[in-house]
Amino acid sequence: QKEVEQNSGPLSVPEGAIASLNCTYSDRGSQSFFWYRQYSGKSPELIMSIYSNGDKEDGRFTAQLNKASQYVSLLIRDSQPSDSATYLCAVNPGLTGGGNKLTFGTGTQLKVEL
Amino acid sequence: GAVVSQHPSWVICKSGTSVKIECRSLDFQATTMFWYRQFPKQSLMLMATSNEGSKATYEQGVEKDKFLINHASLTLSTLTVTSAHPEDSSFYICSARPLLDEQFFGPGTRLTVL
Repeated sequence: QKEVEQNSGPLSVPEGAIASLNCTYSDRGSQSFFWYRQYSGKSPELIMSIYSNGDKEDGRFTAQLNKASQYVSLLIRDSQPSDSATYLCAVNPGLTGGGNKLTFGTGTQLKVEL
Repeated sequence: GAVVSQHPSWVICKSGTSVKIECRSLDFQATTMFWYRQFPKQSLMLMATSNEGSKATYEQGVEKDKFLINHASLTLSTLTVTSAHPEDSSFYICSARPLLDEQFFGPGTRLTVL
């Protein structure tokens, strides 16, 4: 069973702080990794994709991937109340893992407090 | 990012009726689309992979005769919930993949079966 695990939270951070969201996956052969943001009652929105080890930065967001340790994380700098949402980690296991279907974690709820 | 639309955004129907949901890729062609279902406070559950010009691939436990999928063109996939019952009430979301394996989601369709 290919699994993606996230802490459900809620993770509460003060406005302006760095929010750190973590995700681990079980399939060592996984090829690509994604972070989605989902506001309550809405569909997921792609924030970041990352394919190789290391950091990838986009504005206030930084995705970090460590394939050896099988974890991927998302850092949100200068957190804003509008960042309050559920963040979904998704993993593509690659061709050996069933094609290009994504496996989603259950999501981490982030609350940014004023 | 790529744009995916869904119609309708919400629908209320009587038990026993069938409901069709459309998913369109607006600015790209998609040979593959995905259909998900999400119950309140739960994560996304992949129902099926919709393949243009061929039969859909259903996930284990999803009834193919109840959830009919037709991928008639490179920009349109439809999901028909046949003989809907209250337990089918859920948030149905489609996604499509224009490049590599980044999936972009439609806004979702909220189905309520009375």
